Amino acid sequence: SSELTQDPAVSVALGQTVRITCQGDSLRSYYASWYQQKPGQAPILVIYGKNNRPSGIPDRFSGSSSGNTASLTITGAQAEDEAAYYCSSRDSSRDYVVFGGGTKLTVL
Amino acid sequence: EVQLVESGGGLVQPGGSLRVSCAASGFTFSNFNMNWVRQAPGKGLEWVSYISSSSRTIYYADSVKGRFTISRDNAKNSLYLQMNSLRAEDTAVYYCARLRYYGSGSYSPAPYLDYWGQGTLVTVSS
Repeated sequence: SSELTQDPAVSVALGQTVRITCQGDSLRSYYASWYQQKPGQAPILVIYGKNNRPSGIPDRFSGSSSGNTASLTITGAQAEDEAAYYCSSRDSSRDYVVFGGGTKLTVL
Repeated sequence: EVQLVESGGGLVQPGGSLRVSCAASGFTFSNFNMNWVRQAPGKGLEWVSYISSSSRTIYYADSVKGRFTISRDNAKNSLYLQMNSLRAEDTAVYYCARLRYYGSGSYSPAPYLDYWGQGTLVTVSS
């Protein structure tokens, strides 16, 4: 099976840049995708593939990948970016989706 | 506009059964692979099951294998999850989500879930 590891919590000052990371062996072969989830709401896709944003996602969100680590960067964090962020990819041994444990982002 | 609307959640006793549904609209449902993802209260996301567009390929998480059955009816644009032998640890919000793939360069095609429903709460308790 495959595991994706995320820091449980990260904080950032309003308007500053924050990077949320995701580590896992499968990320050497498969891109991560990133999901934002606010309390009481369903997750929404914010980044997929090399660095692709779905329509409607602000360009302050970007993604990158190196080795076994994928990163989600928010450049100029806004108060509305406070949420949980989950990375996801493919299980390296089976054709399954696997999620990281999530990172709670606090905007100070 | 793509929409996924889950229904069928509720309170069920341990050992009981429940079927949740997901109604899809705004896209050609029969062309897409679909997934169920769940989230226990205060916890993270957990992938539950996958079904290919034709229903030919199905996968389950080890935690639900042998108890849950995923199915779809492309004529009705609907996805289902039949849950049997329910346990307290199955208590969660269940989301349906549309699956796509992206790959480029040296990276193999990776799955991503581009649209999610609002979820339906399943509570297993006596």
